[in-house]
Amino acid sequence: RKEVEQDPGPFNVPEGATVAFNCTYSNSASQSFFWYRQDCRKEPKLLMSVYSSGNEDGRFTAQLNRASQYISLLIRDSKLSDSATYLCVVRSGAGNMLTFGGGTRLMVKP
Amino acid sequence: NAGVTQTPKFQVLKTGQSMTLQCAQDMNHNSMYWYRQDPGMGLRLIYYSASEGTTDKGEVPNGYNVSRLNKREFSLRLESAAPSQTSVYFCASNLRTDSYEQYFGPGTRLTVT
Repeated sequence: RKEVEQDPGPFNVPEGATVAFNCTYSNSASQSFFWYRQDCRKEPKLLMSVYSSGNEDGRFTAQLNRASQYISLLIRDSKLSDSATYLCVVRSGAGNMLTFGGGTRLMVKP
Repeated sequence: NAGVTQTPKFQVLKTGQSMTLQCAQDMNHNSMYWYRQDPGMGLRLIYYSASEGTTDKGEVPNGYNVSRLNKREFSLRLESAAPSQTSVYFCASNLRTDSYEQYFGPGTRLTVT
Protein backbone atom coordinates (compact mmCIF):
# COMPACT_ATOMS: atom_id res chain seq x y z
CA ARG A 1 0.00 0.00 0.00
CA LYS A 2 1.33 3.44 -0.91
CA GLU A 3 2.04 5.73 2.01
CA VAL A 4 0.09 8.60 0.44
CA GLU A 5 -2.73 7.80 -1.99
CA GLN A 6 -4.65 10.07 -4.32
CA ASP A 7 -7.19 9.60 -7.08
CA PRO A 8 -5.18 10.39 -10.23
CA GLY A 9 -8.21 11.85 -12.04
CA PRO A 10 -8.43 13.70 -14.31
CA PHE A 11 -11.16 15.82 -12.84
CA ASN A 12 -12.74 17.77 -15.71
CA VAL A 13 -14.78 20.72 -14.46
CA PRO A 14 -16.22 23.88 -16.04
CA GLU A 15 -15.00 27.32 -15.04
CA GLY A 16 -16.71 28.51 -11.89
CA ALA A 17 -17.29 25.03 -10.51
CA THR A 18 -16.34 23.83 -7.06
CA VAL A 19 -14.11 20.75 -6.97
CA ALA A 20 -12.72 18.71 -4.10
CA PHE A 21 -9.84 16.25 -3.90
CA ASN A 22 -9.11 13.78 -1.15
CA CYS A 23 -5.91 12.09 -0.12
CA THR A 24 -5.30 9.31 2.41
CA TYR A 25 -2.08 8.58 4.30
CA SER A 26 -1.05 5.41 6.06
CA ASN A 27 1.41 6.59 8.72
CA SER A 28 -0.59 7.63 11.78
CA ALA A 29 2.55 9.31 13.17
CA SER A 30 2.65 11.81 10.29
CA GLN A 31 3.20 15.30 11.59
CA SER A 32 2.59 17.81 8.84
CA PHE A 33 0.51 17.95 5.71
CA PHE A 34 0.65 20.03 2.57
CA TRP A 35 -0.70 20.51 -0.90
CA TYR A 36 1.76 21.22 -3.68
CA ARG A 37 0.81 22.25 -7.21
CA GLN A 38 2.61 21.04 -10.30
CA ASP A 39 1.95 22.51 -13.73
CA CYS A 40 2.48 20.35 -16.80
CA ARG A 41 6.18 19.60 -17.29
CA LYS A 42 7.16 21.97 -14.48
CA GLU A 43 8.46 21.60 -10.95
CA PRO A 44 6.20 21.25 -7.88
CA LYS A 45 5.51 24.35 -5.80
CA LEU A 46 3.97 24.68 -2.37
CA LEU A 47 0.27 25.63 -2.58
CA MET A 48 -0.65 25.56 1.09
CA SER A 49 -0.13 23.81 4.39
CA VAL A 50 -2.97 21.86 6.01
CA TYR A 51 -3.72 22.59 9.64
CA SER A 52 -5.73 20.48 12.06
CA SER A 53 -8.46 23.10 12.37
CA GLY A 54 -8.73 23.53 8.61
CA ASN A 55 -7.48 26.58 6.75
CA GLU A 56 -8.39 28.76 3.83
CA ASP A 57 -6.38 30.74 1.33
CA GLY A 58 -8.62 32.67 -1.01
CA ARG A 59 -10.56 30.15 -3.10
CA PHE A 60 -8.68 27.20 -1.61
CA THR A 61 -9.70 25.36 1.58
CA ALA A 62 -7.72 22.52 3.12
CA GLN A 63 -9.00 20.12 5.77
CA LEU A 64 -7.32 17.41 7.83
CA ASN A 65 -9.04 14.45 9.47
CA ARG A 66 -6.47 12.72 11.66
CA ALA A 67 -8.89 10.04 12.89
CA SER A 68 -9.59 8.85 9.35
CA GLN A 69 -6.15 9.82 8.07
CA TYR A 70 -7.27 11.85 5.13
CA ILE A 71 -6.65 15.34 3.80
CA SER A 72 -8.86 17.30 1.44
CA LEU A 73 -8.50 20.30 -0.85
CA LEU A 74 -11.52 22.30 -1.99
CA ILE A 75 -11.27 24.77 -4.84
CA ARG A 76 -14.16 27.20 -5.29
CA ASP A 77 -14.95 29.22 -8.41
CA SER A 78 -12.44 27.27 -10.53
CA LYS A 79 -10.34 29.25 -13.02
CA LEU A 80 -8.70 28.03 -16.20
CA SER A 81 -5.38 28.76 -14.49
CA ASP A 82 -6.17 26.21 -11.77
CA SER A 83 -5.57 23.42 -14.31
CA ALA A 84 -2.63 21.49 -12.89
CA THR A 85 -1.75 18.41 -10.88
CA TYR A 86 -2.23 18.70 -7.13
CA LEU A 87 0.16 16.71 -4.97
CA CYS A 88 -0.73 15.65 -1.45
CA VAL A 89 2.40 15.69 0.72
CA VAL A 90 3.01 14.33 4.20
CA ARG A 91 5.93 14.90 6.54
CA SER A 92 6.60 11.97 8.84
CA GLY A 93 8.84 11.55 11.84
CA ALA A 94 11.69 9.55 10.35
CA GLY A 95 14.15 12.17 9.21
CA ASN A 96 11.35 14.65 8.60
CA MET A 97 11.27 13.67 4.98
CA LEU A 98 8.40 14.60 2.70
CA THR A 99 6.36 11.80 1.10
CA PHE A 100 4.46 12.72 -2.05
CA GLY A 101 1.24 11.25 -3.37
CA GLY A 102 0.93 10.45 -7.05
CA GLY A 103 -1.09 13.59 -7.70
CA THR A 104 -4.60 14.44 -8.86
CA ARG A 105 -4.93 16.08 -12.24
CA LEU A 106 -7.44 18.91 -12.60
CA MET A 107 -8.58 20.28 -15.95
CA VAL A 108 -10.79 23.37 -15.90
CA LYS A 109 -12.67 23.95 -19.15
CA PRO A 110 -14.16 27.19 -20.48
CA ASN B 1 18.42 34.97 -7.49
CA ALA B 2 18.14 31.95 -9.76
CA GLY B 3 16.79 29.65 -7.01
CA VAL B 4 17.53 26.02 -7.82
CA THR B 5 19.12 25.28 -11.19
CA GLN B 6 19.67 21.91 -12.83
CA THR B 7 21.69 20.79 -15.82
CA PRO B 8 21.11 19.32 -18.29
CA LYS B 9 17.38 19.81 -19.03
CA PHE B 10 17.22 16.76 -21.29
CA GLN B 11 19.48 13.74 -21.78
CA VAL B 12 19.33 10.49 -23.72
CA LEU B 13 21.69 7.72 -22.66
CA LYS B 14 22.33 4.23 -23.86
CA THR B 15 22.19 1.37 -21.36
CA GLY B 16 25.46 1.14 -19.47
CA GLN B 17 26.53 4.74 -20.02
CA SER B 18 27.25 7.00 -17.08
CA MET B 19 26.37 10.62 -16.43
CA THR B 20 26.17 13.20 -13.68
CA LEU B 21 23.20 15.47 -13.08
CA GLN B 22 24.15 18.82 -11.63
CA CYS B 23 22.16 20.90 -9.16
CA ALA B 24 22.96 24.24 -7.56
CA GLN B 25 21.04 26.60 -5.28
CA ASP B 26 21.78 30.21 -4.39
CA MET B 27 19.43 30.54 -1.40
CA ASN B 28 22.01 29.55 1.23
CA HIS B 29 19.95 26.47 2.07
CA ASN B 30 21.48 23.74 4.19
CA SER B 31 19.50 20.76 2.93
CA MET B 32 19.31 19.41 -0.60
CA TYR B 33 17.44 16.50 -2.18
CA TRP B 34 17.24 14.41 -5.31
CA TYR B 35 13.88 12.96 -6.39
CA ARG B 36 12.70 11.01 -9.36
CA GLN B 37 9.16 11.30 -10.73
CA ASP B 38 7.50 8.53 -12.71
CA PRO B 39 3.91 8.55 -14.00
CA GLY B 40 1.46 7.72 -11.21
CA MET B 41 4.25 7.20 -8.67
CA GLY B 42 4.65 10.67 -7.27
CA LEU B 43 8.07 11.97 -6.38
CA ARG B 44 10.35 9.44 -4.70
CA LEU B 45 13.40 10.47 -2.72
CA ILE B 46 16.68 9.08 -4.04
CA TYR B 47 19.25 10.74 -1.75
CA TYR B 48 19.39 13.79 0.44
CA SER B 49 21.99 15.92 2.15
CA ALA B 50 20.90 17.45 5.44
CA SER B 51 23.94 19.70 5.51
CA GLU B 52 27.24 20.22 3.75
CA GLY B 53 29.41 17.15 4.19
CA THR B 54 26.59 14.67 4.84
CA THR B 55 24.52 12.49 2.52
CA ASP B 56 21.90 9.83 3.24
CA LYS B 57 19.88 7.33 1.27
CA GLY B 58 16.26 7.95 0.54
CA GLU B 59 13.58 5.56 -0.64
CA VAL B 60 15.14 4.49 -3.97
CA PRO B 61 18.97 4.88 -3.84
CA ASN B 62 20.03 1.79 -5.81
CA GLY B 63 21.92 2.63 -8.99
CA TYR B 64 22.77 6.18 -7.90
CA ASN B 65 25.52 8.02 -6.07
CA VAL B 66 25.61 11.59 -4.86
CA SER B 67 28.17 14.22 -3.94
CA ARG B 68 27.56 17.32 -1.87
CA LEU B 69 30.36 19.32 -3.43
CA ASN B 70 29.83 22.39 -1.23
CA LYS B 71 26.87 24.16 0.33
CA ARG B 72 25.54 25.24 -3.07
CA GLU B 73 25.96 22.11 -5.17
CA PHE B 74 24.59 18.58 -4.97
CA SER B 75 25.20 16.19 -7.88
CA LEU B 76 23.61 12.86 -8.76
CA ARG B 77 25.58 10.24 -10.67
CA LEU B 78 24.34 7.26 -12.61
CA GLU B 79 27.31 4.91 -12.98
CA SER B 80 25.70 2.43 -15.40
CA ALA B 81 22.37 3.66 -16.67
CA ALA B 82 19.47 1.22 -17.05
CA PRO B 83 16.11 1.68 -18.84
CA SER B 84 14.41 1.57 -15.41
CA GLN B 85 16.14 4.88 -14.65
CA THR B 86 14.20 6.65 -17.38
CA SER B 87 12.45 9.36 -15.40
CA VAL B 88 12.24 13.04 -14.59
CA TYR B 89 14.76 14.00 -11.93
CA PHE B 90 14.16 16.95 -9.60
CA CYS B 91 16.59 18.56 -7.25
CA ALA B 92 15.20 20.49 -4.27
CA SER B 93 16.50 22.44 -1.32
CA ASN B 94 15.33 23.93 1.93
CA LEU B 95 16.81 25.68 4.90
CA ARG B 96 16.55 22.65 7.22
CA THR B 97 15.22 19.12 6.90
CA ASP B 98 12.28 20.02 9.15
CA SER B 99 11.32 23.00 7.03
CA TYR B 100 8.37 21.92 4.97
CA GLU B 101 8.70 24.12 1.93
CA GLN B 102 11.14 22.59 -0.48
CA TYR B 103 12.15 24.62 -3.51
CA PHE B 104 12.49 22.59 -6.67
CA GLY B 105 14.62 22.97 -9.75
CA PRO B 106 13.08 22.72 -13.24
CA GLY B 107 13.96 19.04 -13.62
CA THR B 108 16.05 16.86 -15.93
CA ARG B 109 14.22 14.56 -18.34
CA LEU B 110 16.35 11.43 -18.76
CA THR B 111 15.69 8.65 -21.24
CA VAL B 112 17.77 5.47 -21.17
CA THR B 113 17.48 3.31 -24.28
